[in-house]
Amino acid sequence: EAGVVQSPRYKIIEKKQPVAFWCNPISGHNTLYWYLQNLGQGPELLIRYENEEAVDDSQLPKDRFSAERLKGVDSTLKIQPAELGDSAVYLCASSFDRVAENEQFFGPGTRLTVL
Amino acid sequence: DQQVKQNSPSLSVQEGRISILNCDYTNSMFDYFLWYKKYPAEGPTFLISISSIKDKNEDGRFTVFLNKSAKHLSLHIVPSQPGDSAVYFCAAVQGGSEKLVFGKGTKLTVNP
Repeated sequence: EAGVVQSPRYKIIEKKQPVAFWCNPISGHNTLYWYLQNLGQGPELLIRYENEEAVDDSQLPKDRFSAERLKGVDSTLKIQPAELGDSAVYLCASSFDRVAENEQFFGPGTRLTVL
Repeated sequence: DQQVKQNSPSLSVQEGRISILNCDYTNSMFDYFLWYKKYPAEGPTFLISISSIKDKNEDGRFTVFLNKSAKHLSLHIVPSQPGDSAVYFCAAVQGGSEKLVFGKGTKLTVNP
């Protein structure tokens, strides 16, 4: 069974450019998470979806970040415009149910470098 | 303010010995705790968890101990193997929040 798929794995852009990350969760997982992981830090939740509904986006910087999960399956996270401080790894995770105690399966992440 | 703290950025142990990774938390509302393991260029993978109603959970070579009064948990790996070399993240959940709060991680190196 395929795990959580993320693309691209690496992205280098200049500041002020837009960038988008894509995530395909494990089949049947209705809950999808986007995390930000800065160097030397643990993952921090940006947004959580239950099916197509964003149920927790309190940590998402909405002035430049946006996300969508239109059909309740795959999801896209966008940054526009990117800033130097956005350089980090963006992780996508999915779980079968919304309960946090349920195991979350993480993708390999997208490493973003903003120059 | 860090609610989940892993104060040791790194730990080095000899193969066959015990590895003990520590985690402290400040939020007394946390009621479920998890450990994730992360290899370079991969996402974290779930390792073991414990509910606040327990003080110990064991799974093969991995045991997690919880001391609620001290707001402290630890992960014991016995015996340690070179393949255990990875970054270990402690995470906590506050009941009803459905949100994982992660520590900064501890890099474990197991030397052959």
